[in-house]
Amino acid sequence: AQSVTQLDSQVPVFEEAPVELRCNYSSSVSVYLFWYVQYPNQGLQLLLKYLSGSTLVKGINGFEAEFNKSQTSFHLRKPSVHISDTAEYFCAVTQIPTGGGNKLTFGTGTQLKVEL
Amino acid sequence: GAGVSQSPSNKVTEKGKDVELRCDPISGHTALYWYRQSLGQGLEFLIYFQGNSAPDKSGLPSDRFSAERTGGSVSTLTIQRTQQEDSAVYLCASTLRGGANVLTFGAGSRLTVL
Repeated sequence: AQSVTQLDSQVPVFEEAPVELRCNYSSSVSVYLFWYVQYPNQGLQLLLKYLSGSTLVKGINGFEAEFNKSQTSFHLRKPSVHISDTAEYFCAVTQIPTGGGNKLTFGTGTQLKVEL
Repeated sequence: GAGVSQSPSNKVTEKGKDVELRCDPISGHTALYWYRQSLGQGLEFLIYFQGNSAPDKSGLPSDRFSAERTGGSVSTLTIQRTQQEDSAVYLCASTLRGGANVLTFGAGSRLTVL
């Protein structure tokens, strides 16, 4: 079984400041890792994913994340946030092999609030 | 269709009534998932379909919950004798079969049980 811990339920930040949203996972086997974003009253959409290769993954809207296997972490970063980045961010993990279906296990989410 | 479509978008019901939530996945996506999103609880996996069969229904919280999928397309999640703790947003997602394919989510069905 796998699990995901998002250490911060809310992160307030001023516009144009950098931000880091933390994610740690637990799994007995190798994993794929994802970050999804949910804007108010909308479904989730993919920000970025780590499957293999380079541990630094770049996603949409200027976000990036770094996979650290030794620390079992996949923290999300953005060097300069915009007011439109205000949303809830979810980290998710799925085990490899996926046996024909990739059931994602999600964290409890981090609410990013960007202030002027 | 172009995206995952869910209906109704909002449902208010009285305790004890049955409800049906519908999900229409992206055409050609063989895998379909149901998740439940409760306030402060993140996303809770309910059930996974590959085609019309459900190899993993481990997340269904009780026997009041059931789901089916027909024609490898539309899925219906049914909650019988609803309880107040069933109030949540129910999200559906679809993807191409297996591997590292990304899930595409619908906007969800918000269920309120009075």
